Amino acid sequence: QQPVQSPQAVILREGEDAVINCSSSKALYSVHWYRQKHGEAPVFLMILLKGGEQKGHEKISASFNEKKQQSSLYLTASQLSYSGTYFCGTENVMDSSYKLIFGSGTRLLVRP
Amino acid sequence: NAGVMQNPRHLVRRRGQEARLRCSPMKGHSHVYWYRQLPEEGLKFMVYLQKENIIDESGMPKERFSAEFPKEGPSILRIQQVVRGDSAAYFCASSPPRTGPSGANVLTFGAGSRLTVL
Repeated sequence: QQPVQSPQAVILREGEDAVINCSSSKALYSVHWYRQKHGEAPVFLMILLKGGEQKGHEKISASFNEKKQQSSLYLTASQLSYSGTYFCGTENVMDSSYKLIFGSGTRLLVRP
Repeated sequence: NAGVMQNPRHLVRRRGQEARLRCSPMKGHSHVYWYRQLPEEGLKFMVYLQKENIIDESGMPKERFSAEFPKEGPSILRIQQVVRGDSAAYFCASSPPRTGPSGANVLTFGAGSRLTVL
């Protein structure tokens, strides 16, 4: 039931791009993306509700392929502040409580 | 405009003692979720509550763990007879009431309560 994230870890130089993937074996209603910095609370980035939907947040955007039950988070021209662990959370169509189940996270480190 | 308030931020217990973690949701939020995070791991769902009602407790261990969200006061996650394996960060999140089966509730997380069992 837990979505699978890849890669597990990424190291970038400032200004480089990265893609983080999230896939589920279950039909999804929505995909949420959060970022957590070390020792802090996870912070909401964006939510995607429809198949093929794409959303943007400054230089961070995401897509959701409802048919493939996959979402990708795109980080372009990365900044030092992008470092942290990125989690996707999924809401399963067959889950009547619509609780959010998170993947195991992708650790991103942006170096100068 | 207080966010989700969790206390205590840090709690140390000896094996066999009880731990009580409290969570006050954001103003206007009536749904509370508890997640457990082991060091360097992801967020594991534990329980989802509304006021006076447990909606989903499928992630709660069958023994020693309980949660409540009374009509008045914070939500409480209670761990009885703690063991070393209970050491973790426990995050509470809250969301607004659902207006329909939209499944689009954005969660706002608290800063977490870090439990250490000696």
